[in-house]
Amino acid sequence: DAGVIQSPRHEVTEMGQEVTLRCKPISGHNSLFWYRQTMMRGLELLIYFNNNVPIDDSGMPEDRFSAKMPNASFSTLKIQPSEPRDSAVYFCASTMEGSGAQHFGDGTRLSIL
Amino acid sequence: GDSVTQMEGPVTLSEEAFLTINCTYTATGYPSLFWYVQYPGEGLQLLLKATKADDKGSNKGFEATYRKETTSFHLEKGSVQVSDSAVYFCALRTSGYSTLTFGKGTMLLVSP
Repeated sequence: DAGVIQSPRHEVTEMGQEVTLRCKPISGHNSLFWYRQTMMRGLELLIYFNNNVPIDDSGMPEDRFSAKMPNASFSTLKIQPSEPRDSAVYFCASTMEGSGAQHFGDGTRLSIL
Repeated sequence: GDSVTQMEGPVTLSEEAFLTINCTYTATGYPSLFWYVQYPGEGLQLLLKATKADDKGSNKGFEATYRKETTSFHLEKGSVQVSDSAVYFCALRTSGYSTLTFGKGTMLLVSP
């Protein structure tokens, strides 16, 4: 079974550039989550989708961040413009609503210079 | 609101030592409880879970028992291996929601 697939695995870019992170959830899962992990803040939930609809985006840091889920098999997290403080590992996770256990991708390590 | 508190790491052990990582929680209602493990360079993987009081979750030699009276879900393993070196996260899910509340994680380092 294919797990959650994220791309790219690594991204290095200069501040001010637009960054797009991609996620393909596990087939059949109807909930999708974007997290950010840093040494200082640990694991933070950014946004949660259910059936492609954003349910809770209270964790999105500011307007520079946006997330979409145009269909059940694809989601994007976009940062525009990017800043050095956005450097982190970004994880996508998916689950079947009500099952409890989330399945994580391997993450995108983002470095903003 | 819901919260999870884990012991701070790193926890440093020799191979074959006994492991305990403490986890306590506060939550409304009756949460489900989880332990996740993160190996270097990878995402979090579900290690074990328990959905009601007195349930014991177990996997790969790790165990944790849902203790409602002490609001705890401590992770234990009788004999750790070098390959168990990783970061361990305790988490809870409140009934009816899919979002998880995570602890800050505890790093485990096992030396030969």
